[in-house]
Amino acid sequence: GNSVTQMEGPVTLSEEAFLTINCTYTATGYPSLFWYVQYPGEGLQLLLKATKADDKGSNKGFEATYRKETTSFHLEKGSVQVSDSAVYFCALLNYGQNFVFGPGTRLSVLP
Amino acid sequence: EAGVAQSPRYKIIEKRQSVAFWCNPISGHATLYWYQQILGQGPKLLIQFQNNGVVDDSQLPKDRFSAERLKGVDSTLKIQPAKLEDSAVYLCASSSLRMRADTQYFGPGTRLTVL
Repeated sequence: GNSVTQMEGPVTLSEEAFLTINCTYTATGYPSLFWYVQYPGEGLQLLLKATKADDKGSNKGFEATYRKETTSFHLEKGSVQVSDSAVYFCALLNYGQNFVFGPGTRLSVLP
Repeated sequence: EAGVAQSPRYKIIEKRQSVAFWCNPISGHATLYWYQQILGQGPKLLIQFQNNGVVDDSQLPKDRFSAERLKGVDSTLKIQPAKLEDSAVYLCASSSLRMRADTQYFGPGTRLTVL
């Protein structure tokens, strides 16, 4: 079946540090891959997505590249801010099926 | 454009009691989803509606959970009777038929604690 694995949190960084949150997946076929973000007290928001191998999704300074050979979709940001503190979810979606989410990684950015 | 609304935001009940959650999707969105998010896990789909018909309820524990979407707009999710393991955040999401299936908008969720 389909599954998503993320690095365990919490991740604590200082402001302006480099961020990487690892995500790997198992799926049949060619799923689309996503990163969602959940700020405190709010619902999930789509951060970025990629729909085929070697695509790069980007938004708000975050990037992730769809790597089919390593079944990975790692999230990166060059310089994090305090306002990036949130829980980040990696997810996949296969055609005709429903979302499969990872367990989430909590990021705390300290000033 | 108003987002997905959910109520209540928090609910505490004792086991074996009943509870209901309400969701109002974005206006015009035909597809509505209920997810269960247990602490430390990602959201898991419970049920998907398209208009007022059920598309997928394969992961809904039907012995205690029920959901309805009368008139194809608002939806209610009910748990009766609740168990300790039902403690979770219940998320509602909606999407438009005109959008790709991956464009879902999430509400803030209802946090349920079962004692």
